[in-house]
Amino acid sequence: AQTVTQSQPEMSVQEAETVTLSCTYDTSESNYYLFWYKQPPSRQMILVIRQEAYKQQNATENRFSVNFQKAAKSFSLKISDSQLGDTAMYFCAFTGVIIQGAQKLVFGQGTRLTINP
Amino acid sequence: DAGVTQSPTHLIKTRGQHVTLRCSPISGHKSVSWYQQVLGQGPQFIFQYYEKEERGRGNFPDRFSARQFPNYSSELNVNALLLGDSALYLCASSLWTDGNTIYFGEGSWLTVV
Repeated sequence: AQTVTQSQPEMSVQEAETVTLSCTYDTSESNYYLFWYKQPPSRQMILVIRQEAYKQQNATENRFSVNFQKAAKSFSLKISDSQLGDTAMYFCAFTGVIIQGAQKLVFGQGTRLTINP
Repeated sequence: DAGVTQSPTHLIKTRGQHVTLRCSPISGHKSVSWYQQVLGQGPQFIFQYYEKEERGRGNFPDRFSARQFPNYSSELNVNALLLGDSALYLCASSLWTDGNTIYFGEGSWLTVV
């Protein structure tokens, strides 16, 4: 079974600083996909960034980038120039390929990120 | 285009009652999934449906059931409600393609008293 672990329950940084959220996962599959989702107080889960395991290049979306280390099964999220609107719960999630079963997401426990003015 | 829509937004039920939650996927998405998110935890997978067939079930009791309709909308039913069923129930839709983004609705808050 796949598992996802986020070891930082809470983090707090000042606006405009850079922050890195950690995530490790465990799987025996060779092909899979990793995601970071953001859940603000409104509770809607919003995709931040995705990474295909077969791609060595780290994904980047504007101020958000990942450090994907496949051998170490590590998938950290870096937020540059953090903004007040980045305040939210951040979830790391894993999904395998459909042939292995359902297209389901396995989530970590989440990291509560607070950006202070 | 509309995103994933869920109803009702909030509801309160009594132990032992039954609840039905509804979800409409993004237009063109034929896969619908349900997740349970207990306060302070990450979402847990309950069901996935594709083309009206159950494609996956998480570790939930038989009190939980779901179905998908010809228009790809879905219902989640929970019987004999327990206090522990109090949670945010998230519906998600996606294309049935490896690694495709799974989009979530705003959720239905269920409180069991």
